[in-house]
Amino acid sequence: DQQVKQNSPSLSVQEGRISILNCDYTNSMFDYFLWYKKYPAEGPTFLISISSIKDKNEDGRFTVFLNKSAKHLSLHIVPSQPGDSAVYFCAATIIRGANNLFFGTGTRLTVIP
Amino acid sequence: DTAVSQTPKYLVTQMGNDKSIKCEQNLGHDTMYWYKQDSKKFLKIMFSYNNKELIINETVPNRFSPKSPDKAHLNLHINSLELGDSAVYFCASSLVRGGNNEQFFGPGTRLTVL
Repeated sequence: DQQVKQNSPSLSVQEGRISILNCDYTNSMFDYFLWYKKYPAEGPTFLISISSIKDKNEDGRFTVFLNKSAKHLSLHIVPSQPGDSAVYFCAATIIRGANNLFFGTGTRLTVIP
Repeated sequence: DTAVSQTPKYLVTQMGNDKSIKCEQNLGHDTMYWYKQDSKKFLKIMFSYNNKELIINETVPNRFSPKSPDKAHLNLHINSLELGDSAVYFCASSLVRGGNNEQFFGPGTRLTVL
């Protein structure tokens, strides 16, 4: 029973263009969402997050959008750089719950120079 | 000055053996976690541990037992290892009280059961 889904296993983008990674969730109790970036043989690294009281959060080249009615969030990276090539995991949690993160299966982003 | 460290990084063992993976965090966090990433790359919570309160994912077999000697350590003991236990295990920590639940992950331990 996967509560967080990333339906695109991979994405290729030209350097300088925008990368858009998508994520859907099913549990309406989730109130905090995070994106993690993972390189091979390393642990996931926190990238950006958003609370359910917001619909957008921006940090430099990274912007996360949340559409609560559609239970959908997306991560925009602009401009994309070759160093952004990694696996991106979407995660969700209930802040006042057990604080466990529920992860999607990840999207492998390749930024082509 | 690694924030969350795990040892060993790689572990190869025979079926039926008992093994442990150690995790330490130096961030002063109050909650620690163990996650399992299976062959399909799906990261799934196994345990979370906060101030001596252990929250167990019910799908985890009781052959897996976390042990926390103090707030900075959460070790994972696995008894009677099975082939299906082969996976990458990630430890993580976060500051729940007054924090934003951003979890910091260790580098992972790749367990291979032969």
